Amino acid sequence: QVQLVQSGAQVKKPGASVKVSCTVSGFTLTELSMHWVRQAPGKGLEWMGGFDPEDGETILAQRFQGRVTMTEDTSADTAYLELSSLRSDDTAVYFCATGGSGMDVWGQGTTVTVSS
Amino acid sequence: AIQMTQSPSSLSASVGDRVTITCRASQGIRNELGWYQQKAGKAPKLLIYGASNRQTGVPSRFIGSGSGTDFTLTISSLQPEDFATYYCLQEYSRPRTFGPGTKLDIK
Repeated sequence: QVQLVQSGAQVKKPGASVKVSCTVSGFTLTELSMHWVRQAPGKGLEWMGGFDPEDGETILAQRFQGRVTMTEDTSADTAYLELSSLRSDDTAVYFCATGGSGMDVWGQGTTVTVSS
Repeated sequence: AIQMTQSPSSLSASVGDRVTITCRASQGIRNELGWYQQKAGKAPKLLIYGASNRQTGVPSRFIGSGSGTDFTLTISSLQPEDFATYYCLQEYSRPRTFGPGTKLDIK
């Protein structure tokens, strides 16, 4: 079965960039459509973007376009989320998730704190 | 982007109660909707996909229904482990969008 293991918590200063990893086991990354979801403290879930198999490309939510990059290293079965120009309101837990119908496998979450 | 709304935003209920949460899409999404349960400090868990299909291992007390713009998640008899926050997610169009959540707590 698929498992997703994410990298550890990070603290960044405003204006910096952060890169979060999500390593797949049980399947190869090429067999999966990976998505990224974030949750600010005390807030709801926010879909950031993910791979759309129908279009064959990664789709980003508009508010993240220009600031978010989602990449994959298939040799390491690892997906990456990079967020640049960090602001305090980017403080959140970032999840990777995958699945066929619905996202049924999630990483454990990575806490990113943006603070001066 | 399709907007998702949920009602109620919070709900207090007792063990054994039957509860219903509603999710509404700003435009038709066929049956491309999932329901997720999230407990504090944990990743979300998929309960229902395709509006009405229970994910493997999800108890039969969780019932999803609806299509088009209006959807419901019913928990037929609340158990202590069901107190959590519930989110709907539309997968019909990109970007995918979550509802704002319904927090279910113990009365």
